[in-house]
Amino acid sequence: DAGVIQSPRHEVTEMGQEVTLRCKPISGHDYLFWYRQTMMRGLELLIYFNNNVPIDDSGMPEDRFSAKMPNASFSTLKIQPSEPRDSAVYFCASSPRQGSTDTQYFGPGTRLTVL
Amino acid sequence: GQSLEQPSEVTAVEGAIVQINCTYQTSGFYGLSWYQQHDGGAPTFLSYNALDGLEETGRFSSFLSRSDSYGYLLLQELQMKDSASYFCAVRAPHSGGYQKVTFGTGTKLQVIP
Repeated sequence: DAGVIQSPRHEVTEMGQEVTLRCKPISGHDYLFWYRQTMMRGLELLIYFNNNVPIDDSGMPEDRFSAKMPNASFSTLKIQPSEPRDSAVYFCASSPRQGSTDTQYFGPGTRLTVL
Repeated sequence: GQSLEQPSEVTAVEGAIVQINCTYQTSGFYGLSWYQQHDGGAPTFLSYNALDGLEETGRFSSFLSRSDSYGYLLLQELQMKDSASYFCAVRAPHSGGYQKVTFGTGTKLQVIP
């Protein structure tokens, strides 16, 4: 398996622009997570899905952030409008199920810079 | 909610042993995980403890004491490539019968010659 795939790997945009980050989880995994990582705030869970349904979006910082999972093999995280404080590395992760080994498989991340 | 505490930085000598501690506060508890992240890379899973005791995987071991809300990651025979950040993460009950994983702030390990 190719692992979790994220695109783009790097994104540089200007304040006010719309940004869309994409994720393809590992086939057969039921859970998908979006994280944001910064030096100041560490690794923050933004939202997670189970079988394509959003379960907990309490970590989504503002209404400017939205996430969708239209099918089992694709998810997007959208920021509109973007702001410089959104600059971070955004990780997508997937997990086969709850409990047991608790393994989350992370994608390589998207490094977002908002100027 | 959940909160985790781990040291921000640890320095150790190549070939030595280092222990990275993690204490947590949760409403309910299912298990404690450890992840490794190299600079510029993604977190990768190392170990998971659901029950008290020591789990060993090669040079890495992880320990859990549920009664003390405490765990640690033990790295033996340190190598330069072990220089990375190490995160503990707790799995706990969440609304709707789901579970939620919360990550600690990470411990940056520097291995020196």
